[in-house]
Amino acid sequence: DGGITQSPKYLFRKEGQNVTLSCEQNLNHDAMYWYRQDPGQGLRLIYYSQIVNDFQKGDIAEGYSVSREKKESFPLTVTSAQKNPTAFYLCASSPGGGIQSSPLHFGNGTRLTVT
Amino acid sequence: AQKVTQAQTEISVVEKEDVTLDCVYETRDTTYYLFWYKQPPSGELVFLIRRNSFDEQNEISGRYSWNFQKSTSSFNFTITASQVVDSAVYFCALSERASSGSARQLTFGSGTQLTVLP
Repeated sequence: DGGITQSPKYLFRKEGQNVTLSCEQNLNHDAMYWYRQDPGQGLRLIYYSQIVNDFQKGDIAEGYSVSREKKESFPLTVTSAQKNPTAFYLCASSPGGGIQSSPLHFGNGTRLTVT
Repeated sequence: AQKVTQAQTEISVVEKEDVTLDCVYETRDTTYYLFWYKQPPSGELVFLIRRNSFDEQNEISGRYSWNFQKSTSSFNFTITASQVVDSAVYFCALSERASSGSARQLTFGSGTQLTVLP
């Protein structure tokens, strides 16, 4: 079955450590996205990528970094510079052609807790 | 000002009741898209519908229906004869051209938690 796989589902880290969240898709989608979800809030865009080896900052990119070396993979690194990293992180993809106007396919999310 | 307002934070209904989730949006763009997504307890968001700004026809899909009214900038979602499996957080979202250029920007509302009681 095609879909988006995020791992791990739960992640715990100590403050000051960088952590990388994995996102893999086998939908052959060009565009991939990272969103952050906080309780009682909508999703906020961290980074997105329209094509391999290219990515753009979203609304809240500070303290995060990404790479897009392969079409299938879009890992997100939460760096120690991110002041409030505890959140639920969702990866998404879309066929592309209409960035942020095409329906998104989402993974199951990674819940990151930093103490 | 919020671009997408879902004023109902939480709604509880008893199974088989009808329920309407409200969504009000704000945009200056003439070509925009509206979406509804469902987020069950498992966490992933599931796409339900996309509507473009030129298509004001209401849509029905099984027990789901959507009422798009440009005059009131609303895109409301109704579930008829609700079921326990409908319990989830529902997000409305708006895709419009960003003020800084031609790139589109997708903005989510804060979501409505729907609980359907047996």
